[in-house]
Amino acid sequence: QSALTQPASVSGSPGQSITISCTGTSSDVGGYKYVSWYQEQPGKAPKLMIYDVSNRPTGVSNRFSGSKSGNTASLTISGLQAEDEADYYCSSYISSSIHYVFGTGTKVTVL
Amino acid sequence: QVTLRESGPALVKPTQTLTLTCAFSGFSLSTSGMCVSWIRQPPGKALEWLARIDWDDDKYYSTSLRTRLTISKDTSKNQVVLTMTSMDPVDTATYYCARAGDGYNYSWFDPWGQGTLVTVSS
Repeated sequence: QSALTQPASVSGSPGQSITISCTGTSSDVGGYKYVSWYQEQPGKAPKLMIYDVSNRPTGVSNRFSGSKSGNTASLTISGLQAEDEADYYCSSYISSSIHYVFGTGTKVTVL
Repeated sequence: QVTLRESGPALVKPTQTLTLTCAFSGFSLSTSGMCVSWIRQPPGKALEWLARIDWDDDKYYSTSLRTRLTISKDTSKNQVVLTMTSMDPVDTATYYCARAGDGYNYSWFDPWGQGTLVTVSS
């Protein structure tokens, strides 16, 4: 299973919206509604931000939203804040074979 | 509150076997639907899923590492153990354990432990 493709970096100014893409294949992202997103900040454990494409866990800001079209999933951060600066990873769960594949990771910089 | 904590050696020599322990609280692996996974991240690189163990003792492994990994659980101690044989410098990484899903759906990881850095060097 190859890693999902994400842009290496995305940046935006405070208050702006940014979108991170996560591209896979019909065997992973495109074949299931099981895409999740994780925020990773230095010294902290990865944090679940979105699960099952577009669901937000309790406690996650509604500035974070997820979607999917075909083989590409997306994470949008609206009203960008300094605290959003982090690495973000997508993941796809392949339920037919019980496997998980992660994305290559995207560094978000708040200008 | 669900918490997980990884422990194990910080340094292993090439060819040795690595044994990591994930101690968790706030749930039981004897409860139907509960699962725990191991995930690793080499320095500066992406996350990589390694293995998952379920409440019913079903076990699943990364295809590329299947021959080197063994995952097991001790329900009485609330622990999950991962062993990885034939360690190589490329296995240097932070190793995380995480609960997989919520007991009904297993498609995400939440929460994660803080991770433990394992360096492979002679």
